[in-house]
Order: sequence, then C-alpha cells, then structure tokens
Amino acid sequence: AQTVTQSQPEMSVQEAETVTLSCTYDTSESNYYLFWYKQPPSRQMILVIRQEAYKQQNATENRFSVNFQKAAKSFSLKISDSQLGDTAMYFCAFMKLAFGNEKLTFGTGTRLTIIP
Amino acid sequence: DGGITQSPKYLFRKEGQNVTLSCEQNLNHDAMYWYRQDPGQGLRLIYYSQIVNDFQKGDIAEGYSVSREKKESFPLTVTSAQKNPTAFYLCASSTIPSGLTDTQYFGPGTRLTVL
Repeated sequence: AQTVTQSQPEMSVQEAETVTLSCTYDTSESNYYLFWYKQPPSRQMILVIRQEAYKQQNATENRFSVNFQKAAKSFSLKISDSQLGDTAMYFCAFMKLAFGNEKLTFGTGTRLTIIP
Repeated sequence: DGGITQSPKYLFRKEGQNVTLSCEQNLNHDAMYWYRQDPGQGLRLIYYSQIVNDFQKGDIAEGYSVSREKKESFPLTVTSAQKNPTAFYLCASSTIPSGLTDTQYFGPGTRLTVL
C-alpha cells in the first residue's frame, strides 16, 4: 500500500514571496503519477500540477514547479511570486500507473495562507 | 462548458434516512469516482466505475451504494447503514487512454450533514 506524508500542517508567506510545500511518499511501485491539488475555501479540488515518475524533468506550470526526487521519494511544490488567490489547502497525491481504475492516495494537506 | 457538476451543494439528512448525491459529467470521461473528505484528512475512495453498469468498492464502501446506468452519471446513495455520514463528498472523473489510469478531475462537492 502507498502512503503520502505532508509534514507541514500550516504555512504562511508574504505576497510575492516564494514558498515550498513538502511531500514524501512510500511505494514499491516503479511507474506512477504524483499530483498537487489545491482546495480553496470553495472546497473544489483543483489540479495544480502533475509529474510522471518515468520523467526525470521536473514539471512546471507557470508559477508552480516541483522538485521530484524519485530515489528519496520526495515531491515538493514551489510557488513563485505568491498571490492572494494561492491561499488554500494543498494536497499531495499518488496514483499508480496501471491498466484500469486506480485510486488517488492523498496526504493530509498543508494549509497555505498568503499574507497581503 | 465542459465539467463535472454535483448536486445539491448542501444536504441535510435525518438519522435513518437514505439520501442520494448526484454527479454528472459532460467531459466524455469513462471513469468516475466518489471520495469522502473528513476534517483534517485527505480524501478516501468510496466507489469507482470504469464503464457503464460496472463499479467496484473502494476503501470505505460500507454503508454506501452506487449505480452507473449512463456514462455521464454516477449517483451515490448514503444509506442508513453508514454510521458516520456527515462529511464532504467529492466526485471525480478521468479518461482511460489505452486502458491506463489518468488524471482525475473533481466536481465542486456536496456537504452532507446528518441531524
């Protein structure tokens, strides 16, 4: 079974600064996806970024980038030039790459507050 | 607009009643999922379905039931057998390119409260 650990329950940062959210995971699988989802106060779960484990290059999406360390089983999210709209819960999630349905395994989340 | 809709946004239930949560998608996705979220926790999988008329139990299926009569719809019934149903419920869907798992996209959720 897979586990995902987010060790920072809460973080806060000044607007326009850079912040990094940590995530570690445990799995015996070699092919998988890792995700960061954002859950703002509206509570809808929004995909931020995805990383395929077979890709060595770290994924980026505009101000969001990841540091994927496969050997260390670490998957951190960096948010550059943080904005007030980035205030949300952030969840790290794991999904095995396989045929058929596979569930997402979530961490417990990091509550990020951007301070004006 | 393509997306996933869930209704109602808020639902109140008396103990002993069954209630059904709606999930509809117009993304032409094959797979659909139901997750439950409790305070301070991540999401946990209740049921999932890859094709019409077929579905499988997730990690916490006890006290829940689903149906998949149409590709676009995957309703979840919370039965009176569910001992602690108060939670936030999220529906998700994904494509299955070449049969492989793919990114899941979520609806806006339903908050269920048992009175």
